[in-house]
Amino acid sequence: GDSVTQMEGPVTLSEEAFLTINCTYTATGYPSLFWYVQYPGEGLQLLLKATKADDKGSNKGFEATYRKETTSFHLEKGSVQVSDSAVYFCALGGWGSNYKLTFGKGTLLTVNP
Amino acid sequence: SAVISQKPSRDICQRGTSLTIQCQVDSQVTMMFWYRQQPGQSLTLIATANQGSEATYESGFVIDKFPISRPNLTFSTLTVSNMSPEDSSIYLCSAPAGEEGETQYFGPGTRLLVL
Repeated sequence: GDSVTQMEGPVTLSEEAFLTINCTYTATGYPSLFWYVQYPGEGLQLLLKATKADDKGSNKGFEATYRKETTSFHLEKGSVQVSDSAVYFCALGGWGSNYKLTFGKGTLLTVNP
Repeated sequence: SAVISQKPSRDICQRGTSLTIQCQVDSQVTMMFWYRQQPGQSLTLIATANQGSEATYESGFVIDKFPISRPNLTFSTLTVSNMSPEDSSIYLCSAPAGEEGETQYFGPGTRLLVL
């Protein structure tokens, strides 16, 4: 079945540092890939998505590229802020899976001033 | 996009009781989903709720424990029955919307503590 493997956390960075959170997946077919963010005490918000190979999703300075050859969708940001402190979830899904989402375990990011 | 609301936002319940969680979407959607997020864990799909048919449950979840209603295209309820402390979790509903319906939008979640 489908699965998502996400970099173990927690990750602690200083403000303005570079962020990478690794995500690899196993899936049948051609899923869409997503990054969701969960701020403390809140629900999930879509951060970015990519629906086909070589697509790059971007939002709020975060980027991730759908790499079919390496089955990866790594999240990157060039300069993190304290307000980026949250849990980040990589997920796959889309119409091919009847819109069900399979999530990674989540990565807790803490950014210190 | 879609805006999804849930009620209640949180609750503290006694073991053996039941709680019904409501989920409201601001537009008509064909499919709605219910997820559980146990403390410090990822999200696990409980079931898919389609209007006009029985909910489809994932492995490990049964209708007697988590009955679901879907009376129309904008609303669903999830009941957590005969609760135990192990049911303490965040329960989230979601629905696909947006361009081609690829993106899942989530409600803010219901934080449940069972004593």
